[in-house]
Amino acid sequence: EVHLLESGGGLVQPGGSLTLSCAASGFSFSTYGMAWVRQAPGKGLEWVSALNDNGLATWYADPVKGRFIISRDNSLYTLFLQMSDLRAEDTAIYYCVKEQGYRLPFDHWGQGMMVTVSS
Amino acid sequence: IVLTQSPVTLSLSAGERAILSCRASQSVSSFLAWYQHKPGQTPRLLIYEASNRATGIPARFSGSGSGTDFTLTISGLEPDDSAVYYCQQRSTGWTFGQGTRVEIK
Repeated sequence: EVHLLESGGGLVQPGGSLTLSCAASGFSFSTYGMAWVRQAPGKGLEWVSALNDNGLATWYADPVKGRFIISRDNSLYTLFLQMSDLRAEDTAIYYCVKEQGYRLPFDHWGQGMMVTVSS
Repeated sequence: IVLTQSPVTLSLSAGERAILSCRASQSVSSFLAWYQHKPGQTPRLLIYEASNRATGIPARFSGSGSGTDFTLTISGLEPDDSAVYYCQQRSTGWTFGQGTRVEIK
């Protein structure tokens, strides 16, 4: 059974940094693209960032480009999201998600991790 | 690519049929998926590639369309179907629609 477990969230001041981790299990991690999706309070789902199976190709949504870095360690079955220069508008639940396949949607989601940016 | 969902809210009775629309600002071919998101739960994939049901999804949920216009149909609404439904494209990058809230009267 596929499991995705996020960690590393919490409260951070504006301009601060935070790194989210996602521990994956139950599937061949190095075979699939992974991504982060967020949901701000009272808002809809927003794609944040993605990377391919070997981590050499990465993509970012415009609001986080230059501030967030996505990466993975296939030997540890772990996905990361390094967030810096955090802003109030980054406050959201961050979901770690697994792609179903190339150009396919997200078939498994983690439980989500709350990130609050506030002074 | 911008995805526009309509209506914003749909209020129907149990047993009725819900028809949700998703329109893309440019063609996404059939690279369109639908998710169900209930409060306090994680989103669940319902439909991929416009019309294929994901694993374990009942036949009451069906998807159709290609290019720029897509529809999610929920037949025989059940109280448990109350949720926000999102479309998402994977043709160019990744984009979600703003969601349609389905309420069961």
